[in-house]
Amino acid sequence: DIVLTQSPGTLSLSPGDRATLSCRASQTISYNYLAWYQQKPGQAPRLLIYGASSRATGIPDRFSGSASGTDFTLTISRLEPEDFAVYYCQQYGSSPMYSFGQGTKLEIK
Amino acid sequence: QVQLQESGPGLVKPSETLSLTCTVSGGSISSGSYYWSWIRQPAGKGLEWIGRIYTSGSTNYNPSLKSRVTISLDTSKNQFSLKLSSVTAADTAVYYCANVYSNFYYYMDVWGKGTTVTVSS
Repeated sequence: DIVLTQSPGTLSLSPGDRATLSCRASQTISYNYLAWYQQKPGQAPRLLIYGASSRATGIPDRFSGSASGTDFTLTISRLEPEDFAVYYCQQYGSSPMYSFGQGTKLEIK
Repeated sequence: QVQLQESGPGLVKPSETLSLTCTVSGGSISSGSYYWSWIRQPAGKGLEWIGRIYTSGSTNYNPSLKSRVTISLDTSKNQFSLKLSSVTAADTAVYYCANVYSNFYYYMDVWGKGTTVTVSS
């Protein structure tokens, strides 16, 4: 099974800061198969990034994704108040067919 | 714009079968590029993929739940459904349905708002 490990578990930053969230896969996965989601309290997850680096429709360009080997990164260039939420990475491919990282909580410092 | 809406009982007794339906609007469930999935999230915890179904009726399930899960499709109603048998308190969660883009890229595109299911006597 491929395990996605996200770090840090919690990230405390201020509006205007740059956020860097990490997702490491336990095995090589295709970059096409990695997505990022944002979830706010009481809401469903929302797709941010697919294919490791492609922004979903309507997602601001302050959100970007990158990949290197088994390491995937979500960067928020300048945090807005509405960006404080939990972020999940997700992979497609191995058993189970889809799996998620455990999440990174981005909180206001 | 495709929208998904989950429906079903919010309370299920232990050992019984959880049944949920996802109604798709604004698009056809027969769209070739999409699978239709169920995902769940226990309170305060992460996301767990349950399974998916294609317009052909072919299914794939999470091995951890496979023995208890059935996902089916009703194209005439533009709906797909989840049945989870022999539930326990560990199945208490928010259940989401989502469409899963599956053509070169693979991601959960549109999600329903979720429905809370509690397993309790």
